[in-house]
Amino acid sequence: GQNIDQPTEMTATEGAIVQINCTYQTSGFNGLFWYQQHAGEAPTFLSYNVLDGLEEKGRFSSFLSRSKGYSYLLLKELQMKDSASYLCAVRRDYNTDKLIFGTGTRLQVFP
Amino acid sequence: DGGITQSPKYLFRKEGQNVTLSCEQNLNHDAMYWYRQDPGQGLRLIYYSQIVNDFQKGDIAEGYSVSREKKESFPLTVTSAQKNPTAFYLCASSIDWSQPQHFGDGTRLSIL
Repeated sequence: GQNIDQPTEMTATEGAIVQINCTYQTSGFNGLFWYQQHAGEAPTFLSYNVLDGLEEKGRFSSFLSRSKGYSYLLLKELQMKDSASYLCAVRRDYNTDKLIFGTGTRLQVFP
Repeated sequence: DGGITQSPKYLFRKEGQNVTLSCEQNLNHDAMYWYRQDPGQGLRLIYYSQIVNDFQKGDIAEGYSVSREKKESFPLTVTSAQKNPTAFYLCASSIDWSQPQHFGDGTRLSIL
């Protein structure tokens, strides 16, 4: 079957660092996406990993280990506006962008 | 500014009624998608289209229909055969299969 696991909820303090994990078991793999979604709004694209390693983009970084079926999203210097759900999604097949989404991790940032 | 427009933002359906959700994009993207989001569940793919006049079923297509007569438009009809239509519906588009998907602001559908 296809399975993507993320923690349901996390909390952190403003200015801190938080790591959101995502593990996947899928019949194929051709890339992993992270999206941010504020309540009642559209998901917005954060990062994409297809090779092992770390991708850094400002305060956000994403890591992938294909052999372990594992990714994480690292958020540094947390701000109140980072309170949102973070969605992990896997593209299973080459030449398609059919994605499988995890249930999302709801992050609450406190002052 | 380019983007994806979904309308209406809120929609109510009576039992036995078909309703159509609009999705328009001016990003010149070839691929378009419809997802359904339920509380506590991930986004699930309903239908997708990689090119005009062609579309494919996603994972939960039963009770839904789509058309892709124009590149910029991908309307979704929720038919009376869909027994549990209450959900948040998201439309997305991408340049092609290799690029990230960009989402509209969604339509929240409820049953009266």
